[in-house]
Amino acid sequence: AQTVTQSQPEMSVQEAETVTLSCTYDTSESDYYLFWYKQPPSRQMILVIRQEAYKQQNATENRFSVNFQKAAKSFSLKISDSQLGDAAMYFCAYRSRNRDDKIIFGKGTRLHILP
Amino acid sequence: DVKVTQSSRYLVKRTGEKVFLECVQDMDHENMFWYRQDPGLGLRLIYFSYDVKMKEKGDIPEGYSVSREKKERFSLILESASTNQTSMYLCATSPSSGGGSDTQYFGPGTRLTVL
Repeated sequence: AQTVTQSQPEMSVQEAETVTLSCTYDTSESDYYLFWYKQPPSRQMILVIRQEAYKQQNATENRFSVNFQKAAKSFSLKISDSQLGDAAMYFCAYRSRNRDDKIIFGKGTRLHILP
Repeated sequence: DVKVTQSSRYLVKRTGEKVFLECVQDMDHENMFWYRQDPGLGLRLIYFSYDVKMKEKGDIPEGYSVSREKKERFSLILESASTNQTSMYLCATSPSSGGGSDTQYFGPGTRLTVL
């Protein structure tokens, strides 16, 4: 069965600095999607960034980028120029491309932004 | 934009009560999901549905049931609420795999307290 592991329950970063959130996953499949979701305090969960496993190029969305290492089964999220609005719980998630539509989530990393 | 709404943001019930949590989406998505979110445990899938009147058990279905009579509405039912069901409940939707999207869209969540 697939699993997703986020080893950092909480992290802090100074405003305007760069922070990297770690995620590893376990799967025997070769074709899948990976996601980072953001859940701000008392607000709705939203998608930050997604990566298709067959694409070698790392996904980027403005200040958010990933480091996708398929062989190592690693999928870290880098946030550049951190802003107060980035404070949230971040979830790494996995979805098989070939099977049903379920998504498997990690346990989350709470990110604090220090002014 | 996809809109996913949940009937209540906060709910307080007593042990033994029957509880209904409703989720409604306006984007004609085939798939709907119910998760519970607990600190340190991340999101755990309770039930999901691929179509009207269809349901599949997730990872923690015990103590819950679901109903999907219409495509846009997915209800989670706690037949006899217990204190260990105090949690945040999240609804999510997604198009089917053939619909070209792999992302789930979340509702705002219902924080349920069972006394």
